[in-house]
Amino acid sequence: GAVVSQHPSWVICKSGTSVKIECRSLDFQATTMFWYRQFPKQSLMLMATSNEGSKATYEQGVEKDKFLINHASLTLSTLTVTSAHPEDSSFYICSADYSGANVLTFGAGSRLTVL
Amino acid sequence: QQPVQSPQAVILREGEDAVINCSSSKALYSVHWYRQKHGEAPVFLMILLKGGEQKGHEKISASFNEKKQQSSLYLTASQLSYSGTYFCGTDQTGANNLFFGTGTRLTVIP
Repeated sequence: GAVVSQHPSWVICKSGTSVKIECRSLDFQATTMFWYRQFPKQSLMLMATSNEGSKATYEQGVEKDKFLINHASLTLSTLTVTSAHPEDSSFYICSADYSGANVLTFGAGSRLTVL
Repeated sequence: QQPVQSPQAVILREGEDAVINCSSSKALYSVHWYRQKHGEAPVFLMILLKGGEQKGHEKISASFNEKKQQSSLYLTASQLSYSGTYFCGTDQTGANNLFFGTGTRLTVIP
């Protein structure tokens, strides 16, 4: 079956530093990937749609300069949280559409803690 | 754009049934259902497409009322493994830009 891998699974960083999270589709190609953030006991909030070879599409209220998304290949999308602050601490999850079947496969998520 | 789910939480004994509802204020292309266990990624359960097509697991069923933009997930003869938080995700365009519901925490006890 389809597998989406995220790395790192957890990261702790100091305020002001940047953190990169990778999302890889391991056994399929994904022209589109999606990034979400999830606060404890809350729902997943769609942040942006990552498009291979073009700019990401951000949802309203999401800062493009804060959350940089790069989709350089058909199997890799990266989310960089720039100049991270404690309020950026969250669970970040990516997903990809396997084989165009409208079924999203999610990564295991990356828990970011900013001190 | 976030759909509303009900109930927020439910506790069942093994073997009991449950219904989880999802309601959107927007016209929908499809509704997706996922289950998430604590600290893990959401797992796909079912998709319901405009026009009646469905894809999902055998033991889980769902309905989609396109006119009312409502969907319900039916869990029958619940098992302990059904415990988790259930989310509906609504897609307005067919591009898989899902907006997830508020979530329903389901706990199955022996």
